[in-house]
Amino acid sequence: QKEVEQNSGPLSVPEGAIASLNCTYSDRGSQSFFWYRQYSGKSPELIMFIYSNGDKEDGRFTAQLNKASQYVSLLIRDSQPSDSATYLCAVGNTGGFKTIFGAGTRLFVKA
Amino acid sequence: KAGVTQTPRYLIKTRGQQVTLSCSPISGHRSVSWYQQTPGQGLQFLFEYFSETQRNKGNFPGRFSGRQFSNSRSEMNVSTLELGDSALYLCASSLGKGGEETQYFGPGTRLLVL
Repeated sequence: QKEVEQNSGPLSVPEGAIASLNCTYSDRGSQSFFWYRQYSGKSPELIMFIYSNGDKEDGRFTAQLNKASQYVSLLIRDSQPSDSATYLCAVGNTGGFKTIFGAGTRLFVKA
Repeated sequence: KAGVTQTPRYLIKTRGQQVTLSCSPISGHRSVSWYQQTPGQGLQFLFEYFSETQRNKGNFPGRFSGRQFSNSRSEMNVSTLELGDSALYLCASSLGKGGEETQYFGPGTRLLVL
């Protein structure tokens, strides 16, 4: 079992729709959770982080964390073609001093 | 504030050679992590340094090594290059609390081994 799992996609949504990206992790000791966006040929850039159970909203983005289910998700409302990228879920564990990344989900937003 | 910088940006080497990549973190950041990214494996953790000490290491062979200097700049070295080492090598910096912190990535060094 991979430490951080994501559906590789591609996930295709029409412009203006909600895109839902999911991630599960295996280490129950994980304490920090991140979503990064990576455009083709570019390095990852942080979209959001979440540490507590529940929802966290930032503009069109909402991160959801359920530690009991070891599940993290990212919702993108009013999706735009510029949101087309690979979205990486990352999980951090203080004791390990390392962040584990999922393989990423490719998102296509059709105009 | 300047971002994370990596040099060189592109590199072509042949099998058996060695290579050294450099990373300069954001000013004030003391932690540097290195990752290898390939289309098949995604982002794989190589190692993390804080105050010149390696705090954690991923599952890579001993050919992969790194170090950090007193100014927090970091280098990674790959010896006896193999074709499979062709990848994008990314470094990321953070303040230094390890996995809890947001990491900021550099542009990467794209290595091609022929």
